[in-house]
Amino acid sequence: GAVVSQHPSRVICKSGTSVKIECRSLDFQATTMFWYRQFPKQSLMLMATSNEGSKATYEQGVEKDKFLINHASLTLSTLTVTSAHPEDSSFYICSASPGTGGFGGTYNEQFFGPGTRLTVL
Amino acid sequence: QKEVEQNSGPLSVPEGAIASLNCTYSDRGSQSFFWYRQYSGKSPELIMFIYSNGDKEDGRFTAQLNKASQYVSLLIRDSQPSDSATYLCAVNSMDSSYKLIFGSGTRLLVRP
Repeated sequence: GAVVSQHPSRVICKSGTSVKIECRSLDFQATTMFWYRQFPKQSLMLMATSNEGSKATYEQGVEKDKFLINHASLTLSTLTVTSAHPEDSSFYICSASPGTGGFGGTYNEQFFGPGTRLTVL
Repeated sequence: QKEVEQNSGPLSVPEGAIASLNCTYSDRGSQSFFWYRQYSGKSPELIMFIYSNGDKEDGRFTAQLNKASQYVSLLIRDSQPSDSATYLCAVNSMDSSYKLIFGSGTRLLVRP
């Protein structure tokens, strides 16, 4: 159980193009999905939190117009990197949380997708 | 002060030994604690979670939580070379989201 898929696993694109990454929870409904970025040998960096049917909440310093997030259903969230540049090259990882019960000492576990390695030439 | 702190390592142990990974957190109200394993080039994988003070065992893994000291640890018994990875400690965020606050991870190296 608790499987999260991500597609594509690897993408190479030219500078200036847009890239869409899909994240799906396969066997549970995800109240909340998260998007992270990780540069080589660095920590996970949370980019944004998304809830189904509402606007994503972006972390400080993350450009919402550049990283478009859509959470259309309880099992699907997408991240679109618009007008990608070489500095956007990174490992993008989504996670999904079933989020039972709400805030206050209940489950917050997150299940991660396999990640998407983006290379912008 | 970082919210979740881990020693970056590497922690090097011989095969068969017990590996002890430690994590401290700053928010005394935190209630959910998680350990993830991340192999190089891969995404994190949930190993264990713990909510109550004390020990929680799952196979070769034991998570220990001490809320008074704001300390959580992961013990790996009978360490194997395949356990060599980065171990991430995560703590629930105290805002109303379901965010987790991650430490920067401890790299574990198990020598054959």
